[in-house]
Amino acid sequence: DVVMTQSPLSLPVTVGRPASISCRSNQSLVYSDGNTYLSWFHQRPGQSPRRLLYKVSNRDFGVPDRFSGSGSVNEFTLTISRVEAEDVGVYYCMQGTHWPPLTFGPGTKVDIK
Amino acid sequence: EVRLLESGGGFAQPGGSLRLSCEISKLSSRDYRMSWVRQAPGKGLEWVSSISESGDKTYYADFVKGRFTISRDNSKNTIFLQMSSLRAGDTAVYYCATQFGLDVWGQGTEVIVSS
Repeated sequence: DVVMTQSPLSLPVTVGRPASISCRSNQSLVYSDGNTYLSWFHQRPGQSPRRLLYKVSNRDFGVPDRFSGSGSVNEFTLTISRVEAEDVGVYYCMQGTHWPPLTFGPGTKVDIK
Repeated sequence: EVRLLESGGGFAQPGGSLRLSCEISKLSSRDYRMSWVRQAPGKGLEWVSSISESGDKTYYADFVKGRFTISRDNSKNTIFLQMSSLRAGDTAVYYCATQFGLDVWGQGTEVIVSS
């Protein structure tokens, strides 16, 4: 199974400042069709997860453009250009290239300083 | 926009069974592959199972193979997760989500396995 790691696991942030989370896989996530099936999810306290980005950098409908994704092969980054208070919670990366199983990173907890 | 509503969670004893349901609020649920993902208390997300649009293909995490069965009834816009031989480690909130990419999630249903 593909192992996903994230850093940092805890990220205190300042409202209005940028923030970034790193995600790594122990295998290339480039699929035979040329796509890279790496997604990012956000889970606010007490809520269900919500997908933010898919195929590395594609924003889901309704996701603010302050969220962006980058990276390739086995190293990826989620960037929040200007953090807002509603961005607190846990962020997970997930790979869908080598499935089953779908595998998630351990999560990065973001809170306001 | 598609909405998902899980039900069927609750208490079960070790070795017992539960059947979870996920109702898809869309006229044609057969357009959607579906997945189940769980989250143990205070822990991260863990993929459990997925099913194709027609139900002819099913996929399972190793830790549930032989114990859980995913199925669907497209006439009722509903997918199911039949859980048997439950263990304490199966205690979690179980979410259903659309597609294999987990586009849209339900609110989850809690399963507690305890004697």
